[in-house]
Amino acid sequence: DAGITQSPRHKVTETGTPVTLRCHQTENHRYMYWYRQDPGHGLRLIHYSYGVKDTDKGEVSDGYSVSRSKTEDFLLTLESATSSQTSVYFCAISRDVDEQYFGPGTRLTVT
Amino acid sequence: AQRVTQPEKLLSVFKGAPVELKCNYSYSGSPELFWYVQYSRQRLQLLLRHISRESIKGFTADLNKGETSFHLKKPFAQEEDSAMYYCALNTPLVFGKGTRLSVIA
Repeated sequence: DAGITQSPRHKVTETGTPVTLRCHQTENHRYMYWYRQDPGHGLRLIHYSYGVKDTDKGEVSDGYSVSRSKTEDFLLTLESATSSQTSVYFCAISRDVDEQYFGPGTRLTVT
Repeated sequence: AQRVTQPEKLLSVFKGAPVELKCNYSYSGSPELFWYVQYSRQRLQLLLRHISRESIKGFTADLNKGETSFHLKKPFAQEEDSAMYYCALNTPLVFGKGTRLSVIA
């Protein structure tokens, strides 16, 4: 597996609380992505980054923010978690506009 | 707008039977298409991409621009092929909703 880790791997939180998920890579790849995976929807892009401090919105960005202060870390923040954000979150990386490598996923439950 | 359609949520076949997972796309430019696979309790991984035109684990996929399709095929299904398969377009990837392939012994 490419050097991608996600933390935490599982989290249960209450509605209205802030949550931050971390994606860490050791591949020095330029691009990093956050997706969510939901039954019946496949994977949908939340945000992505094309360099340090360079980010852009994806298909389902509402309620999420991201930050990338260094190449290896891409943080996804839910400012005020809602039950609709219960999902499995995947981070991915790519060297260029090329094959993407995926992390192991984070299962988030918002009660 | 970019869109990927996988019409089957679930596809069940017997071991040794041919498999075809359908994928259609909508994109006005020149597409880059991929098939990703997710085995049980494993991370998503690339199965194949149209520009490489290679066969991976016996699977092939041909881009048909006229029909805007990129169907995944395998002549003889194996039990270990049981997984979730996603067709994806371009980068950042736009995914279809996925097809769960179940190969029955």
